[in-house]
Amino acid sequence: AQTVTQSQPEMSVQEAETVTLSCTYDTSESDYYLFWYKQPPSRQMILVIRQEAYKQQNATENRFSVNFQKAAKSFSLKISDSQLGDAAMYFCAYRRRRTSGTYKYIFGTGTRLKVLA
Amino acid sequence: EPEVTQTPSHQVTQMGQEVILRCVPISNHLYFYWYRQILGQKVEFLVSFYNNEISEKSEIFDDQFSVERPDGSNFTLKIRSTKLEDSAMYFCASSLAGYQETQYFGPGTRLLVL
Repeated sequence: AQTVTQSQPEMSVQEAETVTLSCTYDTSESDYYLFWYKQPPSRQMILVIRQEAYKQQNATENRFSVNFQKAAKSFSLKISDSQLGDAAMYFCAYRRRRTSGTYKYIFGTGTRLKVLA
Repeated sequence: EPEVTQTPSHQVTQMGQEVILRCVPISNHLYFYWYRQILGQKVEFLVSFYNNEISEKSEIFDDQFSVERPDGSNFTLKIRSTKLEDSAMYFCASSLAGYQETQYFGPGTRLLVL
């Protein structure tokens, strides 16, 4: 069975600094998607970034980038130039890429990010 | 930008009562999901729904749970006889298609069973 682990329950970062959130996963599949979702206090879970496992290039979305290490089964999120609005709970999630069958996400427990002014 | 909406935002109920949690998925989406998060624990998959039937469910989704799309817009999760351990945040999500990797989540309903 696939599992997703986020070992950092809480992280803090100074405004304008860079922070990295860790995520590791376990799967026997070779083709899958990985996601980072952000859940601010308003509670709406918002997609931050996604990575297709077959792509070697790390995904980037403005100030957000990932370090995807497929062999190590690691998928960390780097937030550059942190802003107060980045404060939220961040969830790492996994999904198989198969075109039929299960589409469910498997989530980690989340990392609460605090941004200090 | 279209969003998934959920009502109510909070619900308090007595053990043994029935609750219905409502979701309005994004209008052109075809796949719908329910997840839940017990306080301090992982977000867990409950059920996925497509073409008016359940396409997958987890072991959590027992006979006490049911889902329905009563009309063209709403997607509901019913818990027939709530237990204390059903207290959780319940998230609805939708995706354009099953194979489309991105699911769009609603803000959740916090259910408290007393």
